[in-house]
Amino acid sequence: GAGVSQSPSNKVTEKGKDVELRCDPISGHTALYWYRQSLGQGLEFLIYFQGNSAPDKSGLPSDRFSAERTGGSVSTLTIQRTQQEDSAVYLCASSLGRGGFITEAFFGQGTRLTVV
Amino acid sequence: QQQVKQSPQSLIVQKGGISIINCAYENTAFDYFPWYQQFPGKGPALLIAIRPDVSEKKEGRFTISFNKSAKQFSLHIMDSQPGDSATYFCAASRGSSNTGKLIFGQGTTLQVKP
Repeated sequence: GAGVSQSPSNKVTEKGKDVELRCDPISGHTALYWYRQSLGQGLEFLIYFQGNSAPDKSGLPSDRFSAERTGGSVSTLTIQRTQQEDSAVYLCASSLGRGGFITEAFFGQGTRLTVV
Repeated sequence: QQQVKQSPQSLIVQKGGISIINCAYENTAFDYFPWYQQFPGKGPALLIAIRPDVSEKKEGRFTISFNKSAKQFSLHIMDSQPGDSATYFCAASRGSSNTGKLIFGQGTTLQVKP
């Protein structure tokens, strides 16, 4: 596709269940980000992948959160043992590095996660 | 040091007026300062961006002013229109580094009244 694709668009899960959120970045983009946006709040950084470098996981709020990026393309954000405070919109973005300089980040539509 | 502080949290402007949103940062290593616009139910989209080698960048009705010494930058929307009603986020990153993650401000909800 032409843009960043996220799936599912909406996810309702029971407290304590595990969920997986998927992100398909724009083809060729070397950088991929995950952010969390709670209702009416800003964009909270979660994790950042850049090429073959070790990911920057400094924003993950707890060890229940993990993410991987396979083959430098698709990324999956996994939340284990979900809690109600995990309810938010999870946004993925990708960008192209040119000559080592990160350029515009393109965002997907997000996955709205509701933990009941 | 990684924070970007944005103000105001919300802003109401009359059609035709000027909307001004301000951001401040601490990390002097930041060298890329974009502004994003987000409509309800959509992901943020890049509006305009600046690098610290210039003090101002203008694209149509949108202007970024950058003050490197004060570590502040602002977005000015001239002749504000109802269609500009959205949430605006400033951001900063070390774009020239493999640690170039984007750090966002808390956002400003702009309402332009007809």
